[in-house]
Amino acid sequence: AQSVTQPDIHITVSEGASLELRCNYSYGATPYLFWYVQSPGQGLQLLLKYFSGDTLVQGIKGFEAEFKRSQSSFNLRKPSVHWSDAAEYFCAVGSASGGSYIPTFGRGTSLIVHP
Amino acid sequence: DAGITQSPRHKVTETGTPVTLRCHQTENHRYMYWYRQDPGHGLRLIHYSYGVKDTDKGEVSDGYSVSRSKTEDFLLTLESATSSQTSVYFCATKSPPEDTIYFGEGSWLTVV
Repeated sequence: AQSVTQPDIHITVSEGASLELRCNYSYGATPYLFWYVQSPGQGLQLLLKYFSGDTLVQGIKGFEAEFKRSQSSFNLRKPSVHWSDAAEYFCAVGSASGGSYIPTFGRGTSLIVHP
Repeated sequence: DAGITQSPRHKVTETGTPVTLRCHQTENHRYMYWYRQDPGHGLRLIHYSYGVKDTDKGEVSDGYSVSRSKTEDFLLTLESATSSQTSVYFCATKSPPEDTIYFGEGSWLTVV
């Protein structure tokens, strides 16, 4: 069965500092990979996605992520964090299982931004 | 934006009462999902649907049932609500061709 691990429950960074959120997945074939962001009281917004091709993908709000097959990772990065980036971030893997498409989400990483 | 509307957005109900949450989509997507979100657990799949009248269980389906009589509507029912079902419920759909999952704004349910 597929699974997603986000090892960091909380990450604290200073505004202007760089950011990397970790995501490891378990899946037999090449997965579809996603990062979502959730602000308090809101739904989940898609930041970026990987399906195939270039392993470095660009997303909205200045985020990027790199797919590393050898490490089963899909880490999210941003070179300079803004206070408005404070939110919950979820990594997800999607795949077909028994003919149905089941997305699986990590438990999330809460990003705290200090001024 | 996948045109997903959830109702009600907020509800307080008493233990033992039935509750139905509605998810409505305007994009004619085949797949629809219900998740619950709880602190420390992230998003957990309750039920999903892969077509009209085609549904299946997720990892936390006990105490929940679903129905999908039309492509655009996916209903989640708590037959007899319990305090452990206090949660935020998210509906989602899968958008072809890249299988991206889009979410509704959530339904906050409190069972007292």
